[in-house]
Amino acid sequence: AQSVTQLDSHVSVSEGTPVLLRCNYSSSYSPSLFWYVQHPNKGLQLLLKYTSAATLVKGINGFEAEFKKSETSFHLTKPSAHMSDAAEYFCVVSLGSGGYNKLIFGAGTRLAVHP
Amino acid sequence: NAGVTQTPKFRVLKTGQSMTLLCAQDMNHEYMYWYRQDPGMGLRLIHYSVGEGTTAKGEVPDGYNVSRLKKQNFLLGLESAAPSQTSVYFCASSNSGQGGGYTFGSGTRLTVV
Repeated sequence: AQSVTQLDSHVSVSEGTPVLLRCNYSSSYSPSLFWYVQHPNKGLQLLLKYTSAATLVKGINGFEAEFKKSETSFHLTKPSAHMSDAAEYFCVVSLGSGGYNKLIFGAGTRLAVHP
Repeated sequence: NAGVTQTPKFRVLKTGQSMTLLCAQDMNHEYMYWYRQDPGMGLRLIHYSVGEGTTAKGEVPDGYNVSRLKKQNFLLGLESAAPSQTSVYFCASSNSGQGGGYTFGSGTRLTVV
């Protein structure tokens, strides 16, 4: 069965320090992978997506993620956290070969950024 | 540019009452979706539509009905609300079913007492 596991439900960092949000997936074939961000009382916004073109994917607001097939991971990183990065982050897998592709959401990681 | 608009933003229902959540998109997207978000569970798909006049069940469809009479609107109905339906509901749309490129609304917070 396909699934997405976000390894940390909460991550706390200081402003200016690196961010690492971990995501592992399980899939029987090459999936498309995404990271979405949700700020308080807002809808979800796409941060970045991996669709097999390049294993290192750059997104908005300085975030990037690396697809590692051997580790079935798609961790999200940012070199230097900003207060505005405080939000909930979702790792998402898109499964299917055509037509409608099902999205599988991870449970989310809440990022707190302290001054 | 409105994107995806959900109404209402908040609602409190009594058990057994009915209501309809409205989702409207102005991007001419073919695909529309209703999700529910519960703490620690990410988003789960309730129903989706691949075009005007079509609907299909997602992961957690029980207790909900949907309609897509117009391309821009996707309605989610609760015929007899239950406390288990207390959740935050998100509508989304996309121009393909390939994942990514989804535009989400800002959510409807529903409490059933």
